[in-house]
Amino acid sequence: GDSVTQKQGQVTLSEDDFLFINCTYSTTTYPTLLWYVQYLGQGPQLLLKVTTANNKGISRGFEATYDKGTTSFHLQKASVQESDSAVYFCALAPNYAQGLTFGLGTRVSVFP
Amino acid sequence: DMKVTQMPRYLIKRMGENVLLECGQDMSHETMYWYRQDPGLGLQLIYISYDVDSNSEGDIPKGYRVSRKKREHFSLILDSAKTNQTSVYFCASSRDRGREQYFGPGTRLTVL
Repeated sequence: GDSVTQKQGQVTLSEDDFLFINCTYSTTTYPTLLWYVQYLGQGPQLLLKVTTANNKGISRGFEATYDKGTTSFHLQKASVQESDSAVYFCALAPNYAQGLTFGLGTRVSVFP
Repeated sequence: DMKVTQMPRYLIKRMGENVLLECGQDMSHETMYWYRQDPGLGLQLIYISYDVDSNSEGDIPKGYRVSRKKREHFSLILDSAKTNQTSVYFCASSRDRGREQYFGPGTRLTVL
Protein backbone atom coordinates (compact mmCIF):
# COMPACT_ATOMS: atom_id res chain seq x y z
CA GLY A 1 0.00 0.00 0.00
CA ASP A 2 0.89 3.68 -0.04
CA SER A 3 3.15 5.02 2.66
CA VAL A 4 4.82 8.25 3.69
CA THR A 5 7.82 8.56 5.99
CA GLN A 6 8.51 11.81 7.80
CA LYS A 7 11.45 11.27 10.11
CA GLN A 8 12.03 14.71 11.56
CA GLY A 9 9.84 14.77 14.63
CA GLN A 10 10.90 18.18 15.87
CA VAL A 11 12.81 21.13 14.49
CA THR A 12 13.85 24.13 16.58
CA LEU A 13 14.87 27.33 14.83
CA SER A 14 15.49 30.99 15.43
CA GLU A 15 13.71 33.69 13.44
CA ASP A 16 15.20 34.20 9.95
CA ASP A 17 16.62 30.67 9.91
CA PHE A 18 16.14 28.37 6.90
CA LEU A 19 13.55 25.62 7.25
CA PHE A 20 13.82 22.30 5.41
CA ILE A 21 11.59 19.29 6.01
CA ASN A 22 11.89 16.12 3.99
CA CYS A 23 9.54 13.20 3.40
CA THR A 24 9.86 10.01 1.40
CA TYR A 25 6.96 8.16 -0.16
CA SER A 26 6.01 4.86 -1.69
CA THR A 27 3.18 4.35 -4.13
CA THR A 28 2.42 2.51 -7.33
CA THR A 29 0.38 5.42 -8.73
CA TYR A 30 1.15 8.91 -10.00
CA PRO A 31 0.56 10.86 -6.83
CA THR A 32 -0.14 14.38 -5.82
CA LEU A 33 2.00 15.32 -2.84
CA LEU A 34 0.76 17.83 -0.33
CA TRP A 35 1.89 19.75 2.71
CA TYR A 36 -0.50 20.60 5.51
CA VAL A 37 0.12 22.87 8.49
CA GLN A 38 -1.62 22.46 11.83
CA TYR A 39 -1.61 25.23 14.39
CA LEU A 40 -2.33 24.48 18.03
CA GLY A 41 -5.97 23.58 18.61
CA GLN A 42 -6.90 23.67 14.92
CA GLY A 43 -7.41 21.24 12.10
CA PRO A 44 -4.80 20.76 9.37
CA GLN A 45 -4.81 23.42 6.66
CA LEU A 46 -3.58 22.84 3.14
CA LEU A 47 -0.34 24.73 2.63
CA LEU A 48 0.92 23.46 -0.72
CA LYS A 49 0.37 20.76 -3.27
CA VAL A 50 2.60 19.51 -6.05
CA THR A 51 1.00 17.50 -8.80
CA THR A 52 4.00 16.94 -11.06
CA ALA A 53 7.50 15.80 -10.21
CA ASN A 54 10.15 18.51 -10.36
CA ASN A 55 7.54 21.25 -10.45
CA LYS A 56 7.46 23.69 -7.59
CA GLY A 57 4.56 24.69 -5.40
CA ILE A 58 4.78 28.09 -3.70
CA SER A 59 2.60 29.60 -1.02
CA ARG A 60 3.08 32.06 1.85
CA GLY A 61 6.86 32.00 1.38
CA PHE A 62 7.03 28.20 1.46
CA GLU A 63 8.23 26.12 -1.48
CA ALA A 64 7.67 22.44 -2.16
CA THR A 65 8.96 20.09 -4.80
CA TYR A 66 9.08 16.37 -5.29
CA ASP A 67 11.62 14.10 -6.93
CA LYS A 68 10.25 10.94 -8.51
CA GLY A 69 13.72 9.44 -8.83
CA THR A 70 14.42 9.51 -5.11
CA THR A 71 10.70 9.31 -4.15
CA SER A 72 11.19 12.25 -1.85
CA PHE A 73 9.49 15.57 -1.39
CA HIS A 74 10.39 18.49 0.71
CA LEU A 75 9.18 21.75 2.13
CA GLN A 76 11.40 24.77 2.61
CA LYS A 77 11.24 28.37 3.66
CA ALA A 78 14.13 30.78 3.42
CA SER A 79 13.42 32.83 6.54
CA VAL A 80 11.03 31.59 9.21
CA GLN A 81 9.11 33.72 11.66
CA GLU A 82 7.75 32.94 15.10
CA SER A 83 4.27 32.71 13.54
CA ASP A 84 5.45 29.71 11.49
CA SER A 85 5.58 27.62 14.66
CA ALA A 86 3.24 24.70 13.98
CA VAL A 87 3.17 21.03 13.02
CA TYR A 88 3.81 20.36 9.33
CA PHE A 89 2.52 17.19 7.69
CA CYS A 90 3.43 15.76 4.34
CA ALA A 91 0.68 13.76 2.66
CA LEU A 92 0.25 11.59 -0.39
CA ALA A 93 -2.86 11.50 -2.54
CA PRO A 94 -2.85 8.58 -4.94
CA ASN A 95 -4.53 9.06 -8.29
CA TYR A 96 -7.36 6.71 -7.41
CA ALA A 97 -8.72 9.29 -4.99
CA GLN A 98 -8.96 7.71 -1.59
CA GLY A 99 -8.13 9.48 1.64
CA LEU A 100 -4.76 11.04 2.15
CA THR A 101 -1.83 9.12 3.62
CA PHE A 102 -0.12 11.39 6.11
CA GLY A 103 3.37 11.48 7.55
CA LEU A 104 3.66 11.67 11.32
CA GLY A 105 4.34 15.39 11.30
CA THR A 106 7.25 17.69 12.15
CA ARG A 107 6.79 20.09 15.04
CA VAL A 108 8.53 23.34 14.11
CA SER A 109 9.30 25.76 16.92
CA VAL A 110 10.64 29.18 16.01
CA PHE A 111 12.05 31.42 18.72
CA PRO A 112 12.64 35.15 18.43
CA ASP B 1 -16.27 31.62 3.30
CA MET B 2 -15.58 27.90 2.84
CA LYS B 3 -15.95 26.07 6.08
CA VAL B 4 -16.08 22.64 7.68
CA THR B 5 -17.71 22.62 11.10
CA GLN B 6 -17.66 19.96 13.79
CA MET B 7 -19.84 19.49 16.84
CA PRO B 8 -19.22 19.12 19.66
CA ARG B 9 -15.67 20.39 20.05
CA TYR B 10 -15.11 18.54 23.30
CA LEU B 11 -16.88 15.44 24.62
CA ILE B 12 -16.42 13.19 27.63
CA LYS B 13 -18.18 9.84 27.67
CA ARG B 14 -18.06 6.70 29.77
CA MET B 15 -17.08 3.34 28.35
CA GLY B 16 -20.08 1.63 26.79
CA GLU B 17 -21.97 4.84 26.00
CA ASN B 18 -22.91 5.77 22.45
CA VAL B 19 -21.19 8.70 20.78
CA LEU B 20 -22.34 10.85 17.89
CA LEU B 21 -19.93 13.27 16.21
CA GLU B 22 -21.35 15.63 13.63
CA CYS B 23 -19.70 17.35 10.69
CA GLY B 24 -21.04 19.93 8.27
CA GLN B 25 -19.68 21.71 5.22
CA ASP B 26 -20.99 24.60 3.19
CA MET B 27 -19.05 23.98 -0.02
CA SER B 28 -21.36 21.36 -1.57
CA HIS B 29 -18.42 18.97 -1.64
CA GLU B 30 -19.32 15.44 -2.72
CA THR B 31 -16.64 13.63 -0.73
CA MET B 32 -16.26 13.72 3.02
CA TYR B 33 -13.90 11.94 5.40
CA TRP B 34 -13.41 11.07 9.04
CA TYR B 35 -9.90 10.81 10.50
CA ARG B 36 -8.58 10.35 14.00
CA GLN B 37 -5.33 11.85 15.24
CA ASP B 38 -3.23 10.26 17.97
CA PRO B 39 0.27 11.10 19.20
CA GLY B 40 2.83 8.97 17.44
CA LEU B 41 0.28 7.64 14.94
CA GLY B 42 -0.57 10.77 13.03
CA LEU B 43 -3.84 11.09 11.11
CA GLN B 44 -5.58 7.84 10.24
CA LEU B 45 -8.53 7.49 7.88
CA ILE B 46 -11.66 5.94 9.39
CA TYR B 47 -14.31 6.32 6.67
CA ILE B 48 -14.92 8.04 3.35
CA SER B 49 -18.26 9.11 1.98
CA TYR B 50 -18.48 9.71 -1.77
CA ASP B 51 -21.99 11.15 -1.55
CA VAL B 52 -25.29 10.55 0.21
CA ASP B 53 -25.54 6.90 1.34
CA SER B 54 -22.29 6.01 -0.47
CA ASN B 55 -19.74 5.21 2.21
CA SER B 56 -16.53 3.23 2.22
CA GLU B 57 -14.25 1.95 4.96
CA GLY B 58 -10.92 3.61 5.44
CA ASP B 59 -7.88 2.14 7.14
CA ILE B 60 -9.28 1.79 10.67
CA PRO B 61 -13.09 1.38 10.50
CA LYS B 62 -13.49 -1.14 13.31
CA GLY B 63 -15.68 0.18 16.11
CA TYR B 64 -17.10 3.01 14.01
CA ARG B 65 -19.95 3.57 11.62
CA VAL B 66 -21.03 6.56 9.61
CA SER B 67 -24.15 8.13 8.24
CA ARG B 68 -24.61 10.58 5.42
CA LYS B 69 -28.20 11.45 4.59
CA LYS B 70 -27.54 14.94 3.23
CA ARG B 71 -24.58 16.03 1.15
CA GLU B 72 -23.59 18.72 3.66
CA HIS B 73 -23.67 16.49 6.78
CA PHE B 74 -21.56 13.50 7.73
CA SER B 75 -21.84 11.77 11.11
CA LEU B 76 -19.48 9.42 12.91
CA ILE B 77 -21.07 7.02 15.37
CA LEU B 78 -19.41 4.98 18.07
CA ASP B 79 -21.72 2.29 19.39
CA SER B 80 -20.55 1.41 22.90
CA ALA B 81 -17.44 3.54 23.10
CA LYS B 82 -14.16 2.08 24.26
CA THR B 83 -11.31 3.77 26.13
CA ASN B 84 -8.99 3.25 23.16
CA GLN B 85 -11.28 5.46 21.09
CA THR B 86 -10.12 8.46 23.09
CA SER B 87 -8.68 10.69 20.39
CA VAL B 88 -9.10 13.86 18.37
CA TYR B 89 -11.44 13.32 15.44
CA PHE B 90 -11.28 15.39 12.29
CA CYS B 91 -13.77 15.65 9.51
CA ALA B 92 -12.70 16.77 6.05
CA SER B 93 -14.31 17.37 2.69
CA SER B 94 -13.17 17.65 -0.90
CA ARG B 95 -14.72 18.51 -4.26
CA ASP B 96 -15.44 15.34 -6.23
CA ARG B 97 -12.66 12.98 -5.20
CA GLY B 98 -10.07 15.72 -5.37
CA ARG B 99 -6.85 15.81 -3.52
CA GLU B 100 -7.40 19.07 -1.68
CA GLN B 101 -9.15 18.22 1.54
CA TYR B 102 -10.49 20.89 3.86
CA PHE B 103 -10.48 19.99 7.52
CA GLY B 104 -12.72 20.97 10.39
CA PRO B 105 -11.41 22.13 13.79
CA GLY B 106 -11.69 18.69 15.36
CA THR B 107 -13.56 17.05 18.24
CA ARG B 108 -11.59 15.96 21.28
CA LEU B 109 -13.27 12.81 22.62
CA THR B 110 -12.37 11.31 25.96
CA VAL B 111 -13.78 7.91 26.88
CA LEU B 112 -13.43 7.12 30.58
